[in-house]
Amino acid sequence: KAGVTQTPRYLIKTRGQQVTLSCSPISGHRSVSWYQQTPGQGLQFLFEYFSETQRNKGNFPGRFSGRQFSNSRSEMNVSTLELGDSALYLCASSLIPTGPTDTQYFGPGTRLTVL
Amino acid sequence: KQEVTQIPAALSVPEGENLVLNCSFTDSAIYNLQWFRQDPGKGLTSLLLIQSSQREQTSGRLNASLDKSSGRSTLYIAASQPGDSATYLCAAYTNAGKSTFGDGTTLTVKP
Repeated sequence: KAGVTQTPRYLIKTRGQQVTLSCSPISGHRSVSWYQQTPGQGLQFLFEYFSETQRNKGNFPGRFSGRQFSNSRSEMNVSTLELGDSALYLCASSLIPTGPTDTQYFGPGTRLTVL
Repeated sequence: KQEVTQIPAALSVPEGENLVLNCSFTDSAIYNLQWFRQDPGKGLTSLLLIQSSQREQTSGRLNASLDKSSGRSTLYIAASQPGDSATYLCAAYTNAGKSTFGDGTTLTVKP
């Protein structure tokens, strides 16, 4: 069974631009979560989607948004990029929304650099 | 607000040594705690998941314990190997799927 895939793997943008990242979960998984990882802040939860609905949201500004499609694939969008948005963006999938027994499976991440 | 702390931040041990990684959390209202491994520049790999009602979980040379009352979890690695070198993160999962990760412990196992 193929794992979680994320595209693109690397991305370079300039301040003020917007970016869209894509995540394809493991086949059969319906829940997708997004995380931002930086050296200073560590790994922080962005949001979780299940059945095309945002189920949870972390403490990030409205410039960060996402969506999920009917095939469970998810996209994350960041508008008006800032230098501080440079990070590794990780996507994780699970069968159902994360619960007591549900393990998350992570993708390799997208490395975003904002110049 | 949940806070997760991992000590030490870095650890270097000779091959074959047994070691313990520590994780503490401030809000005991968790429904599970998970340990992950992250290799440089890569995503996370789930190692062990301990439900809030459990005390420990084992997988091969790894054993994780959970003490909700004290807000602590430990990851025990037996007979460490160079291939165990990585960053180990713990994450506390609370209601409705929100997760809080620690900053990780970077482990180096020297041959």
